[in-house]
Amino acid sequence: DAKTTQPPSMDCAEGRAANLPCNHSTISGNEYVYWYRQIHSQGPQYIIHGLKNNETNEMASLIITEDRKSSTLILPHATLRDTAVYYCIAAYSGNMRFGAGTRLTVKP
Amino acid sequence: SAVISQKPSRDICQRGTSLTIQCQVDSQVTMMFWYRQQPGQSLTLIATANQGSEATYESGFVIDKFPISRPNLTFSTLTVSNMSPEDSSIYLCSVDVLQGSSYEQYFGPGTRLTVT
Repeated sequence: DAKTTQPPSMDCAEGRAANLPCNHSTISGNEYVYWYRQIHSQGPQYIIHGLKNNETNEMASLIITEDRKSSTLILPHATLRDTAVYYCIAAYSGNMRFGAGTRLTVKP
Repeated sequence: SAVISQKPSRDICQRGTSLTIQCQVDSQVTMMFWYRQQPGQSLTLIATANQGSEATYESGFVIDKFPISRPNLTFSTLTVSNMSPEDSSIYLCSVDVLQGSSYEQYFGPGTRLTVT
């Protein structure tokens, strides 16, 4: 799996968009960009993943740069319940290797 | 998606004893994974468990300490053997689910282990 780099922490105001960046400059051609989050003491929750194209689902949007060396997870209207650690992982399948992630705190 | 349950949800054990953690999935899956999350840390992959073959362990983890069984496509167990306080962690199982042309990985709720 390619190594990913994320800021250790970010704050976001409730109701605003949260934009979480991730660098994965060594990503290989068949590796997807996955995003998970972990709310305190719970198992990680799958959010979204993509290969080349931007993706959107009911939880978030994923913007991948054209060279695929970085991506941004967007939570369009952050709520207090979105406070969690967000992990960006570059992998083909399974055996996800987790880095330290970004601790997102949504503030009232 | 997949719904994963783990038993027990938490336990407090004495050093030197062993604990077996069960992971049950609501559908048949080829690949199951076991992770450890030490207090305040990220997740670390312990091993990959495929049905019908020996588990594949990551560097730093050995079968004698963390024996794994995978008797069928919906179930796996992880045993933490001869426990010490350093084994106090959350242990999580996960599965790969093929969605279209790519995989999504889903996690169980975890087993919180405290070794005294």
